[in-house]
Amino acid sequence: ETGVTQSPTHLIKTRGQQVTLRCSSQSGHNTVSWYQQALGQGPQFIFQYYREEENGRGNFPPRFSGLQFPNYSSELNVNALELDDSALYLCASSLAGNSGNTIYFGEGSWLTVV
Amino acid sequence: QQQVKQSPQSLIVQKGGISIINCAYENTAFDYFPWYQQFPGKGPALLIAIRPDVSEKKEGRFTISFNKSAKQFSLHIMDSQPGDSATYFCAARGSGGGADGLTFGKGTHLIIQP
Repeated sequence: ETGVTQSPTHLIKTRGQQVTLRCSSQSGHNTVSWYQQALGQGPQFIFQYYREEENGRGNFPPRFSGLQFPNYSSELNVNALELDDSALYLCASSLAGNSGNTIYFGEGSWLTVV
Repeated sequence: QQQVKQSPQSLIVQKGGISIINCAYENTAFDYFPWYQQFPGKGPALLIAIRPDVSEKKEGRFTISFNKSAKQFSLHIMDSQPGDSATYFCAARGSGGGADGLTFGKGTHLIIQP
């Protein structure tokens, strides 16, 4: 049990729609990051938030956006959904300080785009 | 391009044997190398991690061997058990305060036969 909780666990959306995924970080962790894991692949870094600002981003288009709230919880928003956005979306939390701090993942939200 | 190459893609080991998974990286700015275990339908769980200033780290049945000059690292699972059957991912992260996110390998599907 990592203490990172995500909701919803599963959802189905239609192409072109928008989706919001939510995450509560582990207690005391001030940094949250999001990853996309396609079936049979390793997770890919989407972006990271620290102190409510995005401070790192992977190779994902602007229609992937996020928020971090004062209590360190976070949202991932994806606009104009495409079929290829179907994947497991993982939230991870950590404590900022150095690159070696442990990153804890939640169980993920399964998104299917039809 | 940041990349972590993982092999083999799949591995079958007899119960009690040694499971070995290898990873290679290109970016010399990486300075944190974790291994994650993932069961079907679950998020990745941290197994063990290493920094490049040590050549080996052992925790229980899990050992990471690290070769900085070759830019390679490997996971050894001693006395492999059926419960170890899962997908294993190596990963790496740079020293930019963690804002680069983790770069994952493509995973190794490990099956331990009773």
